[in-house]
Amino acid sequence: AQSVAQPEDQVNVAEGNPLTVKCTYSVSGNPYLFWYVQYPNRGLQFLLKYITGDNLVKGSYGFEAEFNKSQTSFHLKKPSALVSDSALYFCAVRDLLSGAGSYQLTFGKGTKLSVIP
Amino acid sequence: SQTIHQWPATLVQPVGSPLSLECTVEGTSNPNLYWYRQAAGRGLQLLFYSVGIGQISSEVPQNLSASRPQDRQFILSSKKLLLSDSGFYLCAWSVRRNGDSPLHFGNGTRLTVT
Repeated sequence: AQSVAQPEDQVNVAEGNPLTVKCTYSVSGNPYLFWYVQYPNRGLQFLLKYITGDNLVKGSYGFEAEFNKSQTSFHLKKPSALVSDSALYFCAVRDLLSGAGSYQLTFGKGTKLSVIP
Repeated sequence: SQTIHQWPATLVQPVGSPLSLECTVEGTSNPNLYWYRQAAGRGLQLLFYSVGIGQISSEVPQNLSASRPQDRQFILSSKKLLLSDSGFYLCAWSVRRNGDSPLHFGNGTRLTVT
């Protein structure tokens, strides 16, 4: 089965500073990788995905992620953090299920990002 | 545009009572549908997925069941709730393709079993 790991439970960053939320993956075959954000008592919102192509993927709200095959990593980044970026961030990988067209996303345990004013 | 609706937003139920959570998707057809559970505000666990009407697959054995009576309707049920069923339940949909489509989540249902 495919898996992702988020090594940090919490990341603190000062407003205006760059932020990085780390994710590493373990897959057989080509990885399909995703980042999501979750605000309190809300569902997950899709930020960006890597399927193939450029290693730097741009997404919503100024976020981007860098795919690194040699390090099996897919870190989420933003050049300048906002207080409103404070939330729970999830990395995910596509995992095929039985049956044509069947797949799920397997999620990491999440990283809580706190942006300090 | 596509939207996903999930209700109720919060629910408090006694142990042993039945459960029915509903999810509907608008603006798309033949979606894959999913039920996930999120425990303690963190990790998500896939409970059920469906690739078509009446086609339900379960990923973990449990006290819950799911049904898909219409193409864009997905229902999570239980005949008798357990304390361990408490959690945040999330419905999601995706385009039925080769897995490059992201999952799109509803706003979730916070279930507390007392």
